[in-house]
Amino acid sequence: DSGVTQTPKHLITATGQRVTLRCSPRSGDLSVYWYQQSLDQGLQFLIQYYNGEERAKGNILERFSAQQFPDLHSELNLSSLELGDSALYFCASSVARQSLQHTDTQYFGPGTRLTVL
Amino acid sequence: GQQVMQIPQYQHVQEGEDFTTYCNSSTTLSNIQWYKQRPGGHPVFLIQLVKSGEVKKQKRLTFQFGEAKKNSSLHITATQTTDVGTYFCAGPGSARQLTFGSGTQLTVLP
Repeated sequence: DSGVTQTPKHLITATGQRVTLRCSPRSGDLSVYWYQQSLDQGLQFLIQYYNGEERAKGNILERFSAQQFPDLHSELNLSSLELGDSALYFCASSVARQSLQHTDTQYFGPGTRLTVL
Repeated sequence: GQQVMQIPQYQHVQEGEDFTTYCNSSTTLSNIQWYKQRPGGHPVFLIQLVKSGEVKKQKRLTFQFGEAKKNSSLHITATQTTDVGTYFCAGPGSARQLTFGSGTQLTVLP
């Protein structure tokens, strides 16, 4: 158990709908990352938040948005869903105590499996 | 932007055989991390390498960081069925986020 929680575990919805995925980071971790993993695919970085502010953006579609709240939990909002959005969505957290040489270890949650029908 | 390539994409080995996965970056990396994802699971951190030419061992797993800090490898000696999963390397991106390689999916046949 990494200490990162994600809800829901599974989500089935229809095209055109909007869903919200939730993530609670490990206690003390300030950074939250969202990743998309399609079937047999790698981990595509979507977005990173640090202490409530957006820090880095990856291949995140305009239909997707995220935020990190004062209690440090984060939500990923996916709208106008398409069949191709079906994937595993992982949240990860880190303490964000990076040095010049070291990059934080990321602790991943169990993921939310989204199925768009 | 930075790209991290990983080969092979798939590897099937007989239990007891060795396994190696290779990671190459288009740019010099300050460090590289390795993660393992079991089937149906989530990625779990294995190790971070920082120094040029660094070699680290974890039981049957040997991790290497190239002299030029642009490539890395993970070698498993005498694979076991518990080694099954996908192994990812990851390098730091421009904003200190991680850029993951495409992963190597290891199948170990009993």
